[in-house]
Amino acid sequence: HSALTQPASVSGSPGQSVTISCTGTSSDVGNYNYVSWYQQHPGKAPKLIIYDVSHRPSGVSNRFSGSKSGNTASLTISGLQTEDEGDYYCSSYANGFTRVFGGGTKLAVL
Amino acid sequence: QVQLVESGGGVVQPGRSLRLSCAASGFTFGSFGMHWVRQAPGKGLEWVAVISYDGSEEYYADSVKGRFTISRDNSKNRLFLQMNSLRREDTAMYYCAKEMLVLPDYWGQGTRVTVSS
Repeated sequence: HSALTQPASVSGSPGQSVTISCTGTSSDVGNYNYVSWYQQHPGKAPKLIIYDVSHRPSGVSNRFSGSKSGNTASLTISGLQTEDEGDYYCSSYANGFTRVFGGGTKLAVL
Repeated sequence: QVQLVESGGGVVQPGRSLRLSCAASGFTFGSFGMHWVRQAPGKGLEWVAVISYDGSEEYYADSVKGRFTISRDNSKNRLFLQMNSLRREDTAMYYCAKEMLVLPDYWGQGTRVTVSS
């Protein structure tokens, strides 16, 4: 499976909202409601922020929300804060019992 | 709390083998699938392999199929990745991750593998 497609970078000002897209195919994102999003800060392990398209793990801010339409999943971060800066990755379950990640999106809070 | 601690990384020559280990604690290890995910320097995450909770099923990325083997020892709460015929492009940080439903939730801090002559 090819990697899911994410924009290389997005940016926003504190307090604004940004949306990161994650485009796959009918073999992964479009066929399963198993899409997760991860936040990664430099030198750190990824942290789960959204699972099953739109569910937040306990302890994750409600400023993070997820959705899906067709072959594209989206992560929206509202009320941007400086600590939201980092890399964001989507991941999906895929045909053949495999999994696939997106290429990652670098978020800058200007 | 969930803890995952990887070990076994290092510098290895192309064509050689390496075995990674992941020690798990803070959850019922034998009830969850487990993943290996890698990240090449300056690059994104790449899913490597998954093993079912009881070790009966294993699935691999095409890039490692036939060279890497994922396994587990539920009596010792340990996950393994046997890497054979290593290539320079296998150079990466390797993370083990606990599975929630079908995708990773908790991740370890990683162990670095460098394939170089």
